[in-house]
Amino acid sequence: AQSVAQPEDQVNVAEGNPLTVKCTYSVSGNPYLFWYVQYPNRGLQFLLKYITGDNLVKGSYGFEAEFNKSQTSFHLKKPSALVSDSALYFCAVTSDTGRRALTFGSGTRLQVQP
Amino acid sequence: GAVVSQHPSWVICKSGTSVKIECRSLDFQATTMFWYRQFPKQSLMLMATSNEGSKATYEQGVEKDKFLINHASLTLSTLTVTSAHPEDSSFYICSAWDSLNTEAFFGQGTRLTVV
Repeated sequence: AQSVAQPEDQVNVAEGNPLTVKCTYSVSGNPYLFWYVQYPNRGLQFLLKYITGDNLVKGSYGFEAEFNKSQTSFHLKKPSALVSDSALYFCAVTSDTGRRALTFGSGTRLQVQP
Repeated sequence: GAVVSQHPSWVICKSGTSVKIECRSLDFQATTMFWYRQFPKQSLMLMATSNEGSKATYEQGVEKDKFLINHASLTLSTLTVTSAHPEDSSFYICSAWDSLNTEAFFGQGTRLTVV
């Protein structure tokens, strides 16, 4: 079985400061890891993914994430937060085995204060 | 990136009626699509895996006779909520797996309200 943990329900950060949203995972096989952002009553917007290769992945809107195999983590980061980054963020995992259904974390609400 | 179109984006129906939600992959063929349900302020829970040309695979606790899934072509999967009740009110999101790009693409979601 695969699982994702997002230990923080909410992260508060001041505009211009760096932000980190944490994610750890458990999966059989090699992980495929994803970050999505969701705005109210909307679907999911893709931010970035790790499939293979470089552990540091750069994605949309200045976000990046680092895959750490030993710590089974895939934390989302951004050097300088914007108020418009305030939203709900989901980490998700599947693997190179199995049926490709994504398992999602519980979500972390990011609040960026002006 | 690839686009998955989900329709309708919102629907209000009376208790006891059925509602059909469509999910289309617009520029790639998806042999496998997924249906998720999201309760307010909660995560996405996988309901079922929709397989083109065969029966859907339902997650434990999901009533297959209530949530009918049809995947008649490589670009279309439908979810029909039968005999809807207020407790079926939720946000439903479909997803299609793009094997070429190793990525899941999501529809815009459907807000179902049963009154």
